Amino acid sequence: GESVGLHLPTLSVQEGDNSIINCAYSNSASDYFIWYKQESGKGPQFIIDIRSNMDKRQGQRVTVLLNKTVKHLSLQIAATQPGDSAVYFCADNNAGGTSYGKLTFGQGTILTVHP
Amino acid sequence: EAGVAQSPRYKIIEKRQSVAFWCNPISGHATLYWYQQILGQGPKLLIQFQNNGVVDDSQLPKDRFSAERLKGVDSTLKIQPAKLEDSAVYLCASSPPQNTEAFFGQGTRLTVV
Repeated sequence: GESVGLHLPTLSVQEGDNSIINCAYSNSASDYFIWYKQESGKGPQFIIDIRSNMDKRQGQRVTVLLNKTVKHLSLQIAATQPGDSAVYFCADNNAGGTSYGKLTFGQGTILTVHP
Repeated sequence: EAGVAQSPRYKIIEKRQSVAFWCNPISGHATLYWYQQILGQGPKLLIQFQNNGVVDDSQLPKDRFSAERLKGVDSTLKIQPAKLEDSAVYLCASSPPQNTEAFFGQGTRLTVV
């Protein structure tokens, strides 16, 4: 069945470093991916998305890379700050590009940023 | 713009009891989702509404879970009777008519003892 997974459950970095969070997916038909940030006691918050016709997309301090050949995507956070500490999920929209809230989430990576 | 509102924030019940969660989506959002997030896992979709109609409830355990969105705005999710394994955070999310990103509420943390 379709699954979206993460390589590492935890990531610890120093403030100012760059962070890279990885995600693997199994469904080669997946065409839309989203990264969410979830802070303790809060719901997931949209960070950035990417479609399968793109290899890279940049936002403010964040970059998502998509490698369709190996079915892998990553989230890069530049100059990581303590406020970036949270759980990060990759999610796959499995509705053929519609119903963008219909998501399959991975397990999540816990990012801890040390001052 | 007000976000997705959920209540209660926390609920503790005994197994075999009933419980209901309420969600008020962002104004104008036609699509509403309920997710279950077990501790240490990513959210799992339970049901999707489009206005007051069910689009997808394939992952909803219908023997004990039910959900409704009678007027196409607020929604309730009910569990009857609850089991220990239902302990989780129940998240509500909504999307605007043009079906862009989903916005999540803070969730209701349910503990079944």
